[in-house]
Amino acid sequence: ILNVEQSPQSLHVQEGDSTNFTCSFPSSNFYALHWYRWETAKSPEALFVMTLNGDEKKKGRISATLNTKEGYSYLYIKGSQPEDSATYLCAFSTSNTGKLIFGQGTTLQVKP
Amino acid sequence: EPEVTQTPSHQVTQMGQEVILRCVPISNHLYFYWYRQILGQKVEFLVSFYNNEISEKSEIFDDQFSVERPDGSNFTLKIRSTKLEDSAMYFCASSADRGYGYTFGSGTRLTVV
Repeated sequence: ILNVEQSPQSLHVQEGDSTNFTCSFPSSNFYALHWYRWETAKSPEALFVMTLNGDEKKKGRISATLNTKEGYSYLYIKGSQPEDSATYLCAFSTSNTGKLIFGQGTTLQVKP
Repeated sequence: EPEVTQTPSHQVTQMGQEVILRCVPISNHLYFYWYRQILGQKVEFLVSFYNNEISEKSEIFDDQFSVERPDGSNFTLKIRSTKLEDSAMYFCASSADRGYGYTFGSGTRLTVV
């Protein structure tokens, strides 16, 4: 059974702190790794899709890295702001058929 | 920015009743998906759909479930005879490319009583 694990489960930080989360996934049969940002009552919003070992992607203050050989990805947020408060989901796929296998998410709370 | 629209946002149904969850994918997208999240659990894949056919389905997607693209704009998930354990948030997604660039809707919360 393919399993994706995220840590920590939740995180409380102060405004201005930098933070990072981990996503662990099976290192075999890798196709792509996706990161989503999900606010309550809204749609999950795509942040990054990464496919190559060593990929690094950046979007404003948020960046992500990928290590397919050891099966992990890190998401970094630099200088957290209250509007960064959300659940961050990672999802792994083994093919292009559309089946994403999700982790349980990391819920970030940024206090002003 | 284009959105995937799901209706209704919340549906309550009696056990054993049929429900149809509706989705309007982004207009130029060709690939369509349904996922669900039971409260407290991970988001899980149900089915992917392309060219009027199911591309892949999970073990959850048994004979109680069906999907359809009845016209050029809607994509529906039907649950034939709902069970208590079907209570979940159901998400529709679409993509222009196979395996990339998924856009999710905001979900339909289905409560079976």
